[in-house]
Amino acid sequence: GAGVSQSPSNKVTEKGKDVELRCDPISGHTALYWYRQRLGQGLEFLIYFQGNSAPDKSGLPSDRFSAERTGESVSTLTIQRTQQEDSAVYLCASSLDVLNTEAFFGQGTRLTVV
Amino acid sequence: AQTVTQSQPEMSVQEAETVTLSCTYDTSESDYYLFWYKQPPSRQMILVIRQEAYKQQNATENRFSVNFQKAAKSFSLKISDSQLGDAAMYFCAYRSPSVGSGTYKYIFGTGTRLKVLA
Repeated sequence: GAGVSQSPSNKVTEKGKDVELRCDPISGHTALYWYRQRLGQGLEFLIYFQGNSAPDKSGLPSDRFSAERTGESVSTLTIQRTQQEDSAVYLCASSLDVLNTEAFFGQGTRLTVV
Repeated sequence: AQTVTQSQPEMSVQEAETVTLSCTYDTSESDYYLFWYKQPPSRQMILVIRQEAYKQQNATENRFSVNFQKAAKSFSLKISDSQLGDAAMYFCAYRSPSVGSGTYKYIFGTGTRLKVLA
């Protein structure tokens, strides 16, 4: 695709429900990153993929968070049993590969847990 | 662990004037990459400028330039001839070198909100 696409753009969910956030990277980009941005704050690293493997998942805040990537394209970030503190914008970025430092970001998914 | 600090939560500049946004970082690595990203209300992060630590020359992109002081671990962004469209959140970011660090994540500061006054 022309850019990094994230869906949904906005998601409101009830506390305790599971949510899936999707990221479509730029075609041909093998590196993919997930970040979380709480209101008025900076970006917190969650996980990155090189191909379908995740060499660094150190930023996942708890075992309620997981991510996968298939076919070196689409990635899904899943949050189980959502809590109010999970409310944030979740940003995805991709780059040609991990050696290429120019990362392109999507517009994010704004998650609101009520 | 590497850290990035932006000590100015908010800055204002008059249209057509020049403004400098500050960023400091902490690392024990000798080679790395530094970035400034712009985040307008649309939420999409846009790369403004990039600096490789091994390069002594400061990076420049049109009206945007950096003052990279490696010894001081300082990386400030200068915006010349400010325009209304420059109003946004600006984030400074650090990334480890490609080889040997074991991780390729970007580490971001907390951001500076830039207001441009007409």
